[in-house]
Amino acid sequence: QVQLVESGGGVVQPGRSLRLSCAGSGFNFSDHTIHWVRQPPGKGLEWVAFISYDGGLEDFAESLRGRLTVSRDNSKNMVYLQMNSLRSEDTAVYYCARDGDTGYYVFDHWGRGTLVTVSS
Amino acid sequence: SYVLTQPPSVSVAPGQTATITCGGNNIGSRRVHWYRQRPGQAPVLVVDHDSERPSGIPERFSGSNSGSTATLTITRVEAGDEADYFCQVWDSSSRHIVFGGGSKLTVL
Repeated sequence: QVQLVESGGGVVQPGRSLRLSCAGSGFNFSDHTIHWVRQPPGKGLEWVAFISYDGGLEDFAESLRGRLTVSRDNSKNMVYLQMNSLRSEDTAVYYCARDGDTGYYVFDHWGRGTLVTVSS
Repeated sequence: SYVLTQPPSVSVAPGQTATITCGGNNIGSRRVHWYRQRPGQAPVLVVDHDSERPSGIPERFSGSNSGSTATLTITRVEAGDEADYFCQVWDSSSRHIVFGGGSKLTVL
């Protein structure tokens, strides 16, 4: 079955960097766009970024552009989210999600998430 | 940027029908997806492309979309349906992926 597993979260000081990882299995990983979506504690969902199936296309939420890098290694079925200059408002659970690739950006499978806490 | 508006809370008795709305400017011209998030769990897709039901989602879940409102309908509501529900679209004009603020469904 389709499985996505995030890792790399933890407590980090403001201004520092963190790299999150997303491991996919149970499907042809290199066929699918992968997204990152975050959820601050007690709040709603916010789309963060995506990377296309071959890594050739990526995009970021406007409020986060410039502080993020997304990459993938299809030989390892992995996607990475590099977050720089972290702020307290970046504290959230970060989910990776598979795109159904119908052209309408639907998230058909989600990981369980990894918690990032930005605090001194 | 494109904004999706959901009621913060919806309450319904067991066995009744729950209706959760998602409002947006000319949302009927976009494809709307709905996610259920139970407490402490990741979101799960329950309706995609306005009215399609993914594999494993009960027929009790259905969706519609027209004009300025998309609607998620859950018939014969059960205790296990209690969760937060989020609508989501891709706004092609701004190229933004947008979520609604979420609606907490309470089963009385």
